[in-house]
Amino acid sequence: NAGVTQTPKFRVLKTGQSMTLLCAQDMNHEYMYWYRQDPGMGLRLIHYSVGEGTTAKGEVPDGYNVSRLKKQNFLLGLESAAPSQTSVYFCASSFSLSGGARLIQETQYFGPGTRLLVL
Amino acid sequence: GENVEQHPSTLSVQEGDSAVIKCTYSDSASNYFPWYKQELGKRPQLIIDIRSNVGEKKDQRIAVTLNKTAKHFSLHITETQPEDSAVYFCAASIRGTYKYIFGTGTRLKVLA
Repeated sequence: NAGVTQTPKFRVLKTGQSMTLLCAQDMNHEYMYWYRQDPGMGLRLIHYSVGEGTTAKGEVPDGYNVSRLKKQNFLLGLESAAPSQTSVYFCASSFSLSGGARLIQETQYFGPGTRLLVL
Repeated sequence: GENVEQHPSTLSVQEGDSAVIKCTYSDSASNYFPWYKQELGKRPQLIIDIRSNVGEKKDQRIAVTLNKTAKHFSLHITETQPEDSAVYFCAASIRGTYKYIFGTGTRLKVLA
């Protein structure tokens, strides 16, 4: 059981280049998230997904796109990288317990991170 | 919008002393409050969490308290050890969603 994995671990891009970050989880979790972490700013949500085939914007979605074609994978794309996108990117996954009409949040489990440098 | 404020941003304590980190949240409907520990170059990992129907929870040297009226929750670490040195993040759930808002983190240094 690998939990949440991310590829690549590290990448250097030039301004204007594109790339895709891959997140995979083997815990059969319904919910997946992409965060970026910058010094002094904590973890900020980029996009998230509440199920296969669904995605939604988070706090800082501009310049990023996502796709969730399979339940276990969540892809984050940068179409035209900018230096402001230099950051550490974390993927996370989670689930919920059945609570009837009440939404019961559960823990988010994080991947190891991808360090991205845009020159 | 929803907000979580975390204080202090840095905290240094002597080994064996206690450390307290405080968070304030804005959404009165938040009902889940996890705390994560992040060591240098590693992923955030859950260390303890609390739900809104509980006022306090303990796990060995770590405890979390929640004051719903004041919208505060705090992490308490007793008998600190050098391996407790890390960045700690609090978070609060956002009503009606599966999302959290994170605090900006506290860098804890335990001095030997």
